[in-house]
Amino acid sequence: QQQVRQSPQSLTVWEGETAILNCSYEDSTFNYFPWYQQFPGEGPALLISIRSVSDKKEDGRFTIFFNKREKKLSLHITDSQPGDSATYFCAVLYQGGRALIFGTGTTVSVSP
Amino acid sequence: EAAVTQSPRSKVAVTGGKVTLSCHQTNNHDYMYWYRQDTGHGLRLIHYSYVADSTEKGDIPDGYKASRPSQENFSLILELASLSQTAVYFCASSDRTGGYEQYFGPGTRLTVL
Repeated sequence: QQQVRQSPQSLTVWEGETAILNCSYEDSTFNYFPWYQQFPGEGPALLISIRSVSDKKEDGRFTIFFNKREKKLSLHITDSQPGDSATYFCAVLYQGGRALIFGTGTTVSVSP
Repeated sequence: EAAVTQSPRSKVAVTGGKVTLSCHQTNNHDYMYWYRQDTGHGLRLIHYSYVADSTEKGDIPDGYKASRPSQENFSLILELASLSQTAVYFCASSDRTGGYEQYFGPGTRLTVL
């Protein structure tokens, strides 16, 4: 059973547009949600994260919106740049805070 | 900056053969992890460790063993490699806060023929 779901699988936006990536989860006890960014040929790297006590987290052009009641969150990339072209993974913390469950990822392509 | 290295970076193995993937971190981190990445499945946790000489099962441990002989080193062992184990394998480390921020290595592409 997939505990973390992401949509869409892939997304193409024009430079300057806002990309919206969606994530949902099953277990209401999850309370920490990081997003990882992965460029081709590299390992993922932490981009931004949010705790369940907050409904919004902003870091530059990247913003997480969190809806605890619906068990959904989204990552908004505003003023998208070609350098943002990557795969983005939503994750949740589990196993008593020791490990992460990752979603299947959304591949974003930004066209100049 | 955090540094996690993996070796080899790519490997071709035969079905039924033994494969060992190695990971080394210089971050002085307590936790180390092994994930596999397949198209359509994202990253799935195989094994992890939070102290030397001890390992824990992740979500998909079947067919894999792990070894943590020291804080810096963590190996993934496929005793009898199978076609279904063809994937990209990532090692990661994190400090004693566990999963809050993981630092990933560059990955090992394993092809089992």
